[in-house]
Amino acid sequence: QSALTQPASVSGYPGQSIPISCTGATGVVGGFNYVSWYQQHPGKAPKLIIYDVINRPSGVSTRFSASKSGNTASLTISGLQAEDEADYYCSSHTTNNTLVFGGGTKLTVL
Amino acid sequence: EVQLMESGGGLVQPGGSLRLSCAGSGFTFSNNALTWVRQAPGKGLEWVAAISGSSGRTYYSDAVEGRFTISRDNSKSTLHLQMNSLRPEDTAVYYCATNPSSWYVWKWDYWGQGTLVTVSS
Repeated sequence: QSALTQPASVSGYPGQSIPISCTGATGVVGGFNYVSWYQQHPGKAPKLIIYDVINRPSGVSTRFSASKSGNTASLTISGLQAEDEADYYCSSHTTNNTLVFGGGTKLTVL
Repeated sequence: EVQLMESGGGLVQPGGSLRLSCAGSGFTFSNNALTWVRQAPGKGLEWVAAISGSSGRTYYSDAVEGRFTISRDNSKSTLHLQMNSLRPEDTAVYYCATNPSSWYVWKWDYWGQGTLVTVSS
């Protein structure tokens, strides 16, 4: 069982809102309070878009928002645009004082 | 502008060693936490190791603990990753990353462009 589970792929049309979930394994991610989200375009380095569950770094579009309920964190991309097509990864601190990434979700803009 | 530049990647045989470096600029290097994250070809991100800013406390994934060593040379603004007993499954692009906190090692604001390590005979 992976410590963080994400859907392999999601898709949507321009203008839609798309959620991406990230479920933490019980007992592995603790309080699940140190969740981050990264966007990665092909051949590029990852980019931090959300940290500490809900916070957006300066300069990141307000179309990216996030939340958490129990052991599931969610990233929502609103007003979907072609440039949002990318891979998205969640990450979390673990009870063993390590960091773990989810398997990644490929977002396709139709 | 924060910049990170990795170097030292290449082809190495199984069981061999390699030392990666990451030169930082545009920030107070000694203050920042630093990390290595890798990505096997066509696969997802995998966290490797991290080091805090002030105390130099280190953290490792189970996959590399005992084989890899993360270290920093604040006088040269350089992060290192000494990789020993390399295995084919260590083949990946290795990214270094940093964040402005000295102690918070669970998010990474700035990333380098990566260096490719290939472990093969």
